Amino acid sequence: LAKTTQPISMDSYEGQEVNITCSHNNIATNDYITWYQQFPSQGPRFIIQGYKTKVTNEVASLFIPADRKSSTLSLPRVSLSDTAVYYCLVATGGGADGLTFGKGTHLIIQP
Amino acid sequence: EPEVTQTPSHQVTQMGQEVILRCVPISNHLYFYWYRQILGQKVEFLVSFYNNEISEKSEIFDDQFSVERPDGSNFTLKIRSTKLEDSAMYFCASSDIGGGHSYEQYFGPGTRLTVT
Repeated sequence: LAKTTQPISMDSYEGQEVNITCSHNNIATNDYITWYQQFPSQGPRFIIQGYKTKVTNEVASLFIPADRKSSTLSLPRVSLSDTAVYYCLVATGGGADGLTFGKGTHLIIQP
Repeated sequence: EPEVTQTPSHQVTQMGQEVILRCVPISNHLYFYWYRQILGQKVEFLVSFYNNEISEKSEIFDDQFSVERPDGSNFTLKIRSTKLEDSAMYFCASSDIGGGHSYEQYFGPGTRLTVT
């Protein structure tokens, strides 16, 4: 199982773009990179998933370089409500597999 | 938007008692999961369930835990004899395998279990 490393915490301000980088040096060929968000006392919420290059949805973008040893979650124009813990996960196998969460990055957005 | 629901939101029980945590997954989902999160710690996988049987379980999911899908809508986690260290937030999740390599799981709001 590929281990992930991401910063414990980050600070930013409203309206800024925030980039959270995760390293996963031992990622395997079949592994996908997935990001989740968690607010206090709530369940995690799926943000985005990718295999290579760039993926964009209505919430975020995910950049994955060619070697796939890292990935960057980009949140455009953050607001106070984006204050949460963000988890980078490397997932393999099929849909039945449980997700392995790390400690995540606590993102704090200030006014 | 469909969502996973869990009841109760908070359960207080005495050590040694049995508890059943209930979940209603999203109706067309096929895979169901339980996770737990001890206060201030990371989310931990307990068990996954598909086609009326356990697909995968972690080391945490020992003999005191069991899961069941008693009807077409509910998915339950039973803790047979609770311990103090079982105090945690328990999250149910479900997913639709239709996307192939999709790892998008939908989590419920959680049940906070307090064992005294």
